[in-house]
Amino acid sequence: DQQVKQNSPSLSVQEGRISILNCDYTNSMFDYFLWYKKYPAEGPTFLISISSIKDKNEDGRFTVFLNKSAKHLSLHIVPSQPGDSAVYFCAASENDYKLSFGAGTTVTVRA
Amino acid sequence: ETGVTQTPRHLVMGMTNKKSLKCEQHLGHNAMYWYKQSAKKPLELMFVYNFKEQTENNSVPSRFSPECPNSSHLFLHLHTLQPEDSALYLCASSQGEEVNTEAFFGQGTRLTVV
Repeated sequence: DQQVKQNSPSLSVQEGRISILNCDYTNSMFDYFLWYKKYPAEGPTFLISISSIKDKNEDGRFTVFLNKSAKHLSLHIVPSQPGDSAVYFCAASENDYKLSFGAGTTVTVRA
Repeated sequence: ETGVTQTPRHLVMGMTNKKSLKCEQHLGHNAMYWYKQSAKKPLELMFVYNFKEQTENNSVPSRFSPECPNSSHLFLHLHTLQPEDSALYLCASSQGEEVNTEAFFGQGTRLTVV
């Protein structure tokens, strides 16, 4: 049973515009959420995280928003750059060190 | 460079072969993981070791056998695999004893079973 869902398999955005990636989860016990970025032939790399006690966390061009009542989080990238073209995974954990991942969203930034 | 190194990067093996994947982390972490990534699917957690003890086995077939001799090394022994086992196998590590920390991944081993 998939507890973390990324319903958009792909996203295409023009350079300089905002990329918005969405993630939904079903386990209300999740209390820590992460986004990972993955280039082809490489492992995922940690991008940004948010604890359930917050609703927003910002790091440079990346902002993660958490809506606990809707069990939804999103990642905003602004402005989008060509180097942002990658697969983005949403992940969540339930008060422990094990992560549940979504299926990923492939972002393509067009010049 | 994430501090987690996997070898080999690519592996092609027959269904009757026995091979092993190796993972090494230089981060001083206590928890290590094996994940499987198949095309268009979420990363599937296979095994978790925390302080060298296996704490999770997500109903993985016995043809996959993990080994964790110490906190820095993790192996995945493979035998009599099936073509559907072809996937990217990722190793990761994290602090382990602390909750809510990120995991660091290796570059993965691309496995093809023929």
